[in-house]
Amino acid sequence: GAVVSQHPSWVICKSGTSVKIECRSLDFQATTMFWYRQFPKQSLMLMATSNEGSKATYEQGVEKDKFLINHASLTLSTLTVTSAHPEDSSFYICSVGGEETQYFGPGTRLLVL
Amino acid sequence: GESVGLHLPTLSVQEGDNSIINCAYSNSASDYFIWYKQESGKGPQFIIDIRSNMDKRQGQRVTVLLNKTVKHLSLQIAATQPGDSAVYFCAETGYDSWGKLQFGAGTQVVVTP
Repeated sequence: GAVVSQHPSWVICKSGTSVKIECRSLDFQATTMFWYRQFPKQSLMLMATSNEGSKATYEQGVEKDKFLINHASLTLSTLTVTSAHPEDSSFYICSVGGEETQYFGPGTRLLVL
Repeated sequence: GESVGLHLPTLSVQEGDNSIINCAYSNSASDYFIWYKQESGKGPQFIIDIRSNMDKRQGQRVTVLLNKTVKHLSLQIAATQPGDSAVYFCAETGYDSWGKLQFGAGTQVVVTP
């Protein structure tokens, strides 16, 4: 299966600042990656689909200007949380569509103070 | 929006017993289903999958059953071990939204000695 990494694994930032999270597909060239968000004790919610070389597509209710996604290569997608606020504190997880199924990264814990 | 204070259903299992985790899905167009295991602070880990043209699939110590008539999915874990303690999620997707996974609410499995 695909091996997926994320960086950083956790980040603490001040309210109003921007945070960039990287998702890398280490052994698979991914034209599509997905970004999910997970609040404590809850399930994963799909935020957006990251498409290599084109614009991301966002799920209903997800602000595209707040959650900027860039998929500049077949192995890297980035999610930037702009002007972060405490309510953006969450666990952000990316996934890669491998040859047969979806594989997930280890997640990034974001805490906005 | 997300609910605050939501508690995951919990399944308490004695070590060595078999576990059965259930999942109901709502989208009749879904044709691919996956079970993931998520340990605290980590990303989901693939366990087993099944396509809609099957009703049973077996892996190592795990079996997935699919009942399309009642839109029900189950995961059976044989001889449950302490390392099986985690949250288990079912996920579904379909040809019309390939790769965009819809996750179930999750079940917390606690293995007791």
